[in-house]
Amino acid sequence: GAVVSQHPSRVICKSGTSVKIECRSLDFQATTMFWYRQFPKQSLMLMATSNEGSKATYEQGVEKDKFLINHASLTLSTLTVTSAHPEDSSFYICSGRDNRGLNYGYTFGSGTRLTVV
Amino acid sequence: LAKTTQPISMDSYEGQEVNITCSHNNIATNDYITWYQQFPSQGPRFIIQGYKTKVTNEVASLFIPADRKSSTLSLPRVSLSDTAVYYCLVVMNYGGATNKLIFGTGTLLAVQP
Repeated sequence: GAVVSQHPSRVICKSGTSVKIECRSLDFQATTMFWYRQFPKQSLMLMATSNEGSKATYEQGVEKDKFLINHASLTLSTLTVTSAHPEDSSFYICSGRDNRGLNYGYTFGSGTRLTVV
Repeated sequence: LAKTTQPISMDSYEGQEVNITCSHNNIATNDYITWYQQFPSQGPRFIIQGYKTKVTNEVASLFIPADRKSSTLSLPRVSLSDTAVYYCLVVMNYGGATNKLIFGTGTLLAVQP
């Protein structure tokens, strides 16, 4: 089945530094990638939608200059948390939408646990 | 986007059948219903998807009444490893690239020995 490889699985960084999270669709082409954030005991919150070769669309309340998204190819999307602060500590998850259509579903990465100290 | 409502939590015992019902009163004609499972510190995993009536796969069944305003995920003979959060989502079946998956609260299923 379809697989989205997400790296790193865990990262600890110092406050003020930037962290890049990568998501790769391994056996399908993802025209669209979604990025989510999940706080403990809460549901997934959609942050942004990225389409290959174009600018990402951010959900209301999500700072586009802080969460930089790049979707340069059909198999790779990256999320960079810039100038991270402790309140950015969360579980970040990406999801790829198979461009063959809805019946092929959405595949999620395994998530990245970000801890900012 | 259709909003979904499902119980916050459910308890069950090993070997029992579990039915989780989700309400989506304002589902649109082109919307599909899909269910995901999430274990702690992992990304959600697709379980099943349907449009109407009944869909069955190797892990679950999905029952959708004629009005499509609700759906029921049925897990046969659950085991301890089925303890997870189950999310019901409504997805627009539209050819565009902006079919967002919006997650609701989900149902925490706790399976006891």
